[in-house]
Amino acid sequence: DAKTTQPTSMDCAEGRAANLPCNHSTISGNEYVYWYRQIHSQGPQYIIHGLKNNETNEMASLIITEDRKSSTLILPHATLRDTAVYYCIVKMNYGQNFVFGPGTRLSVLP
Amino acid sequence: NAGVMQNPRHLVRRRGQEARLRCSPMKGHSHVYWYRQLPEEGLKFMVYLQKENIIDESGMPKERFSAEFPKEGPSILRIQQVVRGDSAAYFCASSPGTVNTDTQYFGPGTRLTVL
Repeated sequence: DAKTTQPTSMDCAEGRAANLPCNHSTISGNEYVYWYRQIHSQGPQYIIHGLKNNETNEMASLIITEDRKSSTLILPHATLRDTAVYYCIVKMNYGQNFVFGPGTRLSVLP
Repeated sequence: NAGVMQNPRHLVRRRGQEARLRCSPMKGHSHVYWYRQLPEEGLKFMVYLQKENIIDESGMPKERFSAEFPKEGPSILRIQQVVRGDSAAYFCASSPGTVNTDTQYFGPGTRLTVL
């Protein structure tokens, strides 16, 4: 079973920041938080991952709480093309498959 | 650097035929993972391979399914005697297999339709 809990769906206005929460209260010390998204039926797209520090790249920012029991993915200026299912996954960095939950269906509205 | 390649992108088979799905990992990646996504469902892990070795096949159905990742060439997911329930999108992912940077990158998938 997935080790994360995410809201089923969220809406966001185009141009605004999209903040997607994820709870992972049973995360262990050597597990990373990964975020992927799946646009329509395409292959999952890697967004970002982190261990305990906040991370930022060209796509998004990842904020991890100090106790590591939850995190937030931030898309700073959502566009219509960001409409997708977003998956938060915890796993060790090396080897090991991903266990996908149902994710959050983000709808970016014009 | 080309991404993960999968072919064919779409495959139609009749019940009882064999399906062969190919996955070429990203350059420099030595680990391959296969996942299946049934219609309106999430992705489910099937098998994890390194070159010439199956590391974890806990998600593979016990019969009719096999996978390989030879020393040369792509990884192959083989489904024998396909049934309608095998209709799904099959995704492979590859990773470099290094301890500090082992992010998986997914291919576009193969959509299998069994008539």
